[in-house]
Amino acid sequence: GNSVTQMEGPVTLSEEAFLTINCTYTATGYPSLFWYVQYPGEGLQLLLKATKADDKGSNKGFEATYRKETTSFHLEKGSVQVSDSAVYFCALSEGNNAGNMLTFGGGTRLMVKP
Amino acid sequence: EPEVTQTPSHQVTQMGQEVILRCVPISNHLYFYWYRQILGQKVEFLVSFYNNEISEKSEIFDDQFSVERPDGSNFTLKIRSTKLEDSAMYFCASMRTGYNEQFFGPGTRLTVL
Repeated sequence: GNSVTQMEGPVTLSEEAFLTINCTYTATGYPSLFWYVQYPGEGLQLLLKATKADDKGSNKGFEATYRKETTSFHLEKGSVQVSDSAVYFCALSEGNNAGNMLTFGGGTRLMVKP
Repeated sequence: EPEVTQTPSHQVTQMGQEVILRCVPISNHLYFYWYRQILGQKVEFLVSFYNNEISEKSEIFDDQFSVERPDGSNFTLKIRSTKLEDSAMYFCASMRTGYNEQFFGPGTRLTVL
């Protein structure tokens, strides 16, 4: 079956540091890949996505590249802010059809200190 | 901006009791989902719903669970006889036809005593 593995947290960084959160996946087909973010007290929000190999998703300074050869979708940001403190979830959806369920990784808590 | 809403935000119940968790999806969305997250564990898919019927369900979604769209706006998850292990955060999500992006609600924290 499908699975997503992401680095365990918490990840603690100082403001303006470089962020990488690793995510690898196992899938039987050609999944779409997502990063969701959960701010304290809120629901999951889609941060970015990529639907095919070599696609790069980007939003709010975050980016991730769909690497089929390494089955990875690592999240990066060049300069984090305190407001980026949240839990980040990597997820996949099999194929590109509407209605497909999401399979999530365990989540990585990011704490950014001023 | 339209958003998915869920009520209540926190539900406490006794083991064996029935609970109904409510969700109002975004109005022009036709795909609906329930996920849950037990404390400290992964977000897990429970069920998807389209065109007034279940389209997919996980092995977690056994006979104790049911979903319903009782009217044009609500989407509910019922647990008939709650167990201690049903304690979790339950997330509702919805998606628009033709788009591969699910929008999540803030969740309902269910505590079974």
